[in-house]
Amino acid sequence: GAGVSQSPSNKVTEKGKDVELRCDPISGHTALYWYRQSLGQGLEFLIYFQGNSAPDKSGLPSDRFSAERTGGSVSTLTIQRTQQEDSAVYLCASSQGTDTQYFGPGTRLTVL
Amino acid sequence: GESVGLHLPTLSVQEGDNSIINCAYSNSASDYFIWYKQESGKGPQFIIDIRSNMDKRQGQRVTVLLNKTVKHLSLQIAATQPGDSAVYFCAENPIGGTSYGKLTFGQGTILTVHP
Repeated sequence: GAGVSQSPSNKVTEKGKDVELRCDPISGHTALYWYRQSLGQGLEFLIYFQGNSAPDKSGLPSDRFSAERTGGSVSTLTIQRTQQEDSAVYLCASSQGTDTQYFGPGTRLTVL
Repeated sequence: GESVGLHLPTLSVQEGDNSIINCAYSNSASDYFIWYKQESGKGPQFIIDIRSNMDKRQGQRVTVLLNKTVKHLSLQIAATQPGDSAVYFCAENPIGGTSYGKLTFGQGTILTVHP
């Protein structure tokens, strides 16, 4: 079946603007995760959803970051008042319970 | 804090050789480990996983070894091919508790396979 999809694939924005990143998980996967990958770095956990609830928001770097998930499926990650240090690849993954996390292709965000 | 790290940031091998990528972890509560392969411009791709009740697990051309005594994980790739060139990440997943599902990744090892 289809894998995890993310949109847009690339986003260039100006400092101070808000952006929304979208993730469509694998159908039937109950868990959804957001990670951030800065240039040449490993992946940094941001937030995790089980169904529509987010029991772990500990990785969100600031209150400018928020995420929601509706209908136990699609999730959006919103970054308000973007800063240059927000530039990174934002990766989404989904899993069925505690099983393997499967990643999408990511959204490359560039803040000018 | 506890973290997962890699011994070697880069590894260059000839096509056909076997490759070994190493990873150290420090969270003794972790009982599930995963190796991912990431090609340029793509998301991480699952390769193989292992649970802490196992020492070894084999897949197609890949083997993961887990040494819980020294908290060490390795990925062995047999007959390495140019298509194996990528960044390889190990990740740990502490099953249960408040860290449920929160993968901690190492920094990655760049594998380059020369024809």
